[in-house]
Amino acid sequence: GENVEQHPSTLSVQEGDSAVIKCTYSDSASNYFPWYKQELGKGPQLIIDIRSNVGEKKDQRIAVTLNKTAKHFSLHITETQPEDSAVYFCAATQGGSWGKLQFGAGTQVVVTP
Amino acid sequence: GAGVSQSPRYKVAKRGQDVALRCDPISGHVSLFWYQQALGQGPEFLTYFQNEAQLDKSGLPSDRFFAERPEGSVSTLKIQRTQQEDSAVYLCASSSTGTANTGELFFGEGSRLTVL
Repeated sequence: GENVEQHPSTLSVQEGDSAVIKCTYSDSASNYFPWYKQELGKGPQLIIDIRSNVGEKKDQRIAVTLNKTAKHFSLHITETQPEDSAVYFCAATQGGSWGKLQFGAGTQVVVTP
Repeated sequence: GAGVSQSPRYKVAKRGQDVALRCDPISGHVSLFWYQQALGQGPEFLTYFQNEAQLDKSGLPSDRFFAERPEGSVSTLKIQRTQQEDSAVYLCASSSTGTANTGELFFGEGSRLTVL
């Protein structure tokens, strides 16, 4: 079936360095690509999203890029801080249906001071 | 509170028991979703409501799973004759927009179900 692959599964970075997480998707009808941050014992929280008619979007230290031709999208976090430590999930809409999201398996990000 | 509220936060059930998980969405939110998150995995879609109408239940794993939202607000996910593979965190999310519009999904903290 359709799926979203996410890499790496774990990522350790020094405070102040950048972190990059990459995802690929297979459903050509996908048109909405959100990224979620999940802290232990909490629900996922949207941190940034991008729609299929946009190639890049930035919000302060966070940016997302989308390559629809290659079916991949990436999350970039600059100037990482300890509070950025969490599990990050990428997601893509299934069959073009908003809200019906296919999630990646997640990336555990650890930022060490 | 202003967020999505789920109860109970933790539920332990013996195999074969029925369980009911409740979701209070953000007031006025039209859309409501249930997702299942196994340990160490990303959430997986279960079902979607727009107001009281269940528009998509394609992700429900079996006929033991049933969801309802009779008045278009609170929703209940019921699992009958629970099995060990049902152990997971069940997440509820709501959004102010309906189908064909792209809007943010707000997730609750989830109900962690453990089936012994």
